[in-house]
Amino acid sequence: GQQLNQSPQSMFIQEGEDVSMNCTSSSIFNTWLWYKQDPGEGPVLLIALYKAGELTSNGRLTAQFGITRKDSFLNISASIPSDVGIYFCVIPHSGGGADGLTFGKGTHLIIQP
Amino acid sequence: ETGVTQSPTHLIKTRGQQVTLRCSSQSGHNTVSWYQQALGQGPQFIFQYYREEENGRGNFPPRFSGLQFPNYSSELNVNALELDDSALYLCASSLAPGERGNTIYFGEGSWLTVV
Repeated sequence: GQQLNQSPQSMFIQEGEDVSMNCTSSSIFNTWLWYKQDPGEGPVLLIALYKAGELTSNGRLTAQFGITRKDSFLNISASIPSDVGIYFCVIPHSGGGADGLTFGKGTHLIIQP
Repeated sequence: ETGVTQSPTHLIKTRGQQVTLRCSSQSGHNTVSWYQQALGQGPQFIFQYYREEENGRGNFPPRFSGLQFPNYSSELNVNALELDDSALYLCASSLAPGERGNTIYFGEGSWLTVV
């Protein structure tokens, strides 16, 4: 099946710092999604990307759909404590119209006081 | 608050037993998907139900089965539980399968521990 390589696995940063994470694959995709999972909750959609080269923002979050269609990047500017959580790159499943999602392993973001 | 509710929130079962997890989808959503999230991993797609029929399945054995009811709520059943089935089970609902831009909403999950 599809495999998404997400890095870094974890990040320890100070409040106010900018954050960058990325996701790569050996396959080409037409859609990239970024989800966030807070502790004890289900994942929540942050940003959806549908076109190679597309750059989309959601507040302090910016994501880009790589021009090769094999990668995507997520940046968070001026991090705050509520940014703590696990960030997943996600692609739609390609099985027979089913709307399932394939998740990367996630980037754990930890903000040190 | 996504409007997707799951029960129970936590449960402990013994190896070999059977378990049923329940999910109520967001109002108006006719599509429900189930995911398994092992500790330290991303969620893995189990299967999807659309209008009471299975509409796609991930790489899970037949002992993982499901149902969707006329009100679009759903159950996940796992037979012959194994220790590796210990995980967070997430339910997700959406308006319809396969549509671009179709946002999928997740519940908070059911934590299953198999001992």
